[in-house]
Amino acid sequence: DTAVSQTPKYLVTQMGNDKSIKCEQNLGHDTMYWYKQDSKKFLKIMFSYNNKELIINETVPNRFSPKSPDKAHLNLHINSLELGDSAVYFCASSQTGYSYEQYFGPGTRLTVT
Amino acid sequence: GDSVTQMEGPVTLSEEAFLTINCTYTATGYPSLFWYVQYPGEGLQLLLKATKADDKGSNKGFEATYRKETTSFHLEKGSVQVSDSAVYFCALSFSGGYNKLIFGAGTRLAVHP
Repeated sequence: DTAVSQTPKYLVTQMGNDKSIKCEQNLGHDTMYWYKQDSKKFLKIMFSYNNKELIINETVPNRFSPKSPDKAHLNLHINSLELGDSAVYFCASSQTGYSYEQYFGPGTRLTVT
Repeated sequence: GDSVTQMEGPVTLSEEAFLTINCTYTATGYPSLFWYVQYPGEGLQLLLKATKADDKGSNKGFEATYRKETTSFHLEKGSVQVSDSAVYFCALSFSGGYNKLIFGAGTRLAVHP
């Protein structure tokens, strides 16, 4: 059973398009995250939701809008894609107050041409 | 602000060599410390963790000790295998509240037969 899953795994699109990435976790965790990994492998937090409430919103352009329909799902919608958005986006989940361990999905590689 | 610094890679070793990857951190307070590993084309997996000073995390032959006095969490393995080739990330997170991970830049390890 996959603990944290993401779709799609690969996404190739043109500048200016709008796209979404979906994430689901079946671990029963109450907190989910989006991280961005750039071409140099550097990982940075973008957003975090706890029980469907946005709790972390780092300095991310307004073109990025996360949505959490329930605590098992966290989606990321990106408007007006730019070349610099090309990266691998990782979803993660954790349970508040328990060992702080985060479980990561396999990543979505987004390529903007 | 809080940050993690790792030794730059790539680290290239022969099989059965001793591995050390240095990690130091800057933090206000007492974070939990983690090592994550990313195998080629995959997401991040937690390798080991330590939640307080002098704790030693260990897994799959890897070890790291939380040293408050030197603000370090160096990763070691006595005898590396080709299958250990991956990118290793040191990270910190704080207890309580919502726990974003702050990552180091990652260190690529290549082990040759």
